Amino acid sequence: DTEVTQTPKHLVMGMTNKKSLKCEQHMGHRAMYWYKQKAKKPPELMFVYSYEKLSINESVPSRFSPECPNSSLLNLHLHALQPEDSALYLCASSQVGTSNEQFFGPGTRLTVL
Amino acid sequence: KQEVTQIPAALSVPEGENLVLNCSFTDSAIYNLQWFRQDPGKGLTSLLLIQSSQREQTSGRLNASLDKSSGRSTLYIAASQPGDSATYLCAAPAGGKLIFGQGTELSVKP
Repeated sequence: DTEVTQTPKHLVMGMTNKKSLKCEQHMGHRAMYWYKQKAKKPPELMFVYSYEKLSINESVPSRFSPECPNSSLLNLHLHALQPEDSALYLCASSQVGTSNEQFFGPGTRLTVL
Repeated sequence: KQEVTQIPAALSVPEGENLVLNCSFTDSAIYNLQWFRQDPGKGLTSLLLIQSSQREQTSGRLNASLDKSSGRSTLYIAASQPGDSATYLCAAPAGGKLIFGQGTELSVKP
């Protein structure tokens, strides 16, 4: 199984809502990533988890809160978002280590009203 | 600091043409380089990963090369088809992250 799954596919939320994005992989990867992608731009790294511990936080605002409950799951909790946070949110996974291939999920299209 | 550049930003070709997409990087101490395809509104699909010890990697009609000394990688697509239309991104790892180019948006006209 070389698939990374993400739910939901689409999410519309108001600025006062709390919601969560979910990512799952069953490839035995111990590194998982959250990216944010705006239209016509490459993905921007937000967070990296290695062995279920947060290893990189790219100075992301606290209204985004990641969680890695186990080696297969990665969540991104959203609270009090701004309209400029509307984007495609991508999850990826890989073996731990710099030289390893990353596999991406299909993304969640988030719209903040 | 690794920087990755892709030129051109957009490319339009007629069906059947062979084409080359370019990717440049600044730090030649590169572990590997990964090529991705992205369809509009979708996730990234990994096409090829070339390790630093390799010069080429092939998958079907795709061939990727890596020249560390010149800081370049190319993705060759043979006999292009309308289904190849997508954005192609290259990326190199640095500091535990993937550094992406801006992408080349490819359109193959029937």
